[in-house]
Amino acid sequence: NAGVTQTPKFRVLKTGQSMTLLCAQDMNHEYMYWYRQDPGMGLRLIHYSVGEGTTAKGEVPDGYNVSRLKKQNFLLGLESAAPSQTSVYFCASSYVVSTDTQYFGPGTRLTVL
Amino acid sequence: AQSVTQLGSHVSVSEGALVLLRCNYSSSVPPYLFWYVQYPNQGLQLLLKYTTGATLVKGINGFEAEFKKSETSFHLTKPSAHMSDAAEYFCAVRSNNAGNMLTFGGGTRLMVKP
Repeated sequence: NAGVTQTPKFRVLKTGQSMTLLCAQDMNHEYMYWYRQDPGMGLRLIHYSVGEGTTAKGEVPDGYNVSRLKKQNFLLGLESAAPSQTSVYFCASSYVVSTDTQYFGPGTRLTVL
Repeated sequence: AQSVTQLGSHVSVSEGALVLLRCNYSSSVPPYLFWYVQYPNQGLQLLLKYTTGATLVKGINGFEAEFKKSETSFHLTKPSAHMSDAAEYFCAVRSNNAGNMLTFGGGTRLMVKP
């Protein structure tokens, strides 16, 4: 049982390049989330999904797109990377029950030059 | 809308001393409250959570937290710090919203001196 995995672990982009971050979970969770972590700001929600084929905006969605074509996968895309998107990105997943825990992946450290 | 404030971005204690990490929240509905810990270069893992029932919640590694509705607080404590407790700690609140979204505080980095 791998839990939540993220690919890649590290990435360096130049301004204007695009990339996709992959999140996978093997716990059959309905809900999945993408966060970014910046110093002193905690984690902020970018986008989330309440089920296969559905996505919704979180607190800081601008500059990002997501897709949930399969229940176990949640992709985060940057179409044209900007230095302000330099951050650590975490994926999480949970069951539907509102008291349930969110389980986090190990993170992806992204630097945009 | 909900929000979380963690007082003190850095806290330093001596090994064996009491650990107290402060968390205050605002929520328009009864909240569910969480503490997560993040060790260096790792993801977040759950320490403990309050949903309903007993207001004193015990978690892993000897940590506990008490929900005080009148003070809108959910402070994290541990009687005796260990070197291995050095990490960043995040308080989070969830209201009964669609998607079970969490709102996180800014985090508190705990340093433990020998």
